[in-house]
Amino acid sequence: QVQLKETGPGLVQPTQTLSITCTVSGFSLTSYYMQWVRLTPGKGLEWMGFIRSGGTTEYNSEFKSRLTINRDTAKNQVFLEMNSLKTEDTGVYYCARGGMGLWLPYWGQGTLVTVSS
Amino acid sequence: DIVMTQSPSSLAVSAGETVTINCKSSQSLFWSRSQMNYLAWYQQKPGQSPKLLIYSASTRQSGVPDRFIGGGSGTDFTLTISGVQAEDLAVYYCQHHYDSLPPYTFGAGTKLELK
Repeated sequence: QVQLKETGPGLVQPTQTLSITCTVSGFSLTSYYMQWVRLTPGKGLEWMGFIRSGGTTEYNSEFKSRLTINRDTAKNQVFLEMNSLKTEDTGVYYCARGGMGLWLPYWGQGTLVTVSS
Repeated sequence: DIVMTQSPSSLAVSAGETVTINCKSSQSLFWSRSQMNYLAWYQQKPGQSPKLLIYSASTRQSGVPDRFIGGGSGTDFTLTISGVQAEDLAVYYCQHHYDSLPPYTFGAGTKLELK
């Protein structure tokens, strides 16, 4: 069955770079878009971006040039990298997979990221 | 960017009541070519990931109880829960999924609480 699992660092210092890995099983990354969504106390749920089945990406301009999404199809992994972290980036980060469209029936359990010195 | 405005922000209900949550988008989410509205509803309970309830405004995701009903078109949408059960207490979010109009923004959420 479809499974997604995020692994992240837990604690990141301000100005540093966040790296999260989403490991998937039960499907191929070359067949589906993979999306990243976060839940923060200040802004609720935010759509961050996605990587298409063909490997191209689309980002929320809210994150300007801070965000990069890429993948390793051989390892069934999708990566989120975001630099110049601020305390407001504290929250739970989710990877999610769509179905036939961009709605999201499949989610990972999320990984909590705390940005603090 | 499309702005999604949800109301109310919180709602206190008793078990068995019927409740309606509203979601308004700053642009139409209807695509005439497909005759579809690109709006989804999610339920999120504390400590859990969001759960997809409804997509394309009114299509219930597989396994979702039929007491959850999505409606509306264009810019105005509703999620109705007929006969609220204790397990429905959660935060509900709308999100647009109109392909050509990223970012796919969420509403601020509606917290359903027990009266």
